[in-house]
Amino acid sequence: QVQLVESGGGVVQPGRSLRLSCAASGFTFSSSAMHWVRQAPGKGLEWVAVVSNAGNNKHYADSVKGRFTISRDNSKSTLYLQMNSLRGDDTAVYYCARDQDSVYATVPDYWGQGTLVTVSS
Amino acid sequence: QLVLTQSPSASASLGASVNLTCTLSSGHSNYAIAWHQQQSEMGPRYLMKLNNDGSHTKGDGIPDRFSGSSSGAGRYLIISSLQSEDEGDYYCQTWGPGPVIFGGGTKLTVL
Repeated sequence: QVQLVESGGGVVQPGRSLRLSCAASGFTFSSSAMHWVRQAPGKGLEWVAVVSNAGNNKHYADSVKGRFTISRDNSKSTLYLQMNSLRGDDTAVYYCARDQDSVYATVPDYWGQGTLVTVSS
Repeated sequence: QLVLTQSPSASASLGASVNLTCTLSSGHSNYAIAWHQQQSEMGPRYLMKLNNDGSHTKGDGIPDRFSGSSSGAGRYLIISSLQSEDEGDYYCQTWGPGPVIFGGGTKLTVL
């Protein structure tokens, strides 16, 4: 069965960096676009970024553009999110999700359980 | 601008049916959407993709009690024979050339 397991969350000071990972299994990772979606405490879902199956097509939410970088290693079936210049409003649970499409962002159809990032001094 | 609007809350009795509504912004009434469920303290779960003609494709293991329909700019999630485990937050979601858009979510309470 499809499994997505996020890791790398924790407490980080404002202005610092953090890298999240998402280990995928149970499907052909290199055939699916992949997303990062976050949820601030008590708030709704906010889409963060998507990467195409080959890793050459990426899109970001305006709120993270220029600070976050999504990438993937298909040989390791792993998705990454490099987060730089972190701010307090980046505090959230970060979920990775598989897309139904290979190239374009359409429908996330499998989700991980999330990893919590807390930005605080 | 592509926006999805959901009522913040809904409630219905155990065993009853409930319709949750998601409304597409003006000029986007032909867009397909997806519905996702999030139970307390859990990651989201994909329920279905819902097209503008009302046809829908459900995710793996989603019970027959969950269905969808469309009318104009409205996209509806219908849950029949409500069970206690249906309580949670429901998000509609769509996509444009690049970004993914989520509605604000509806908190469903099963009485």
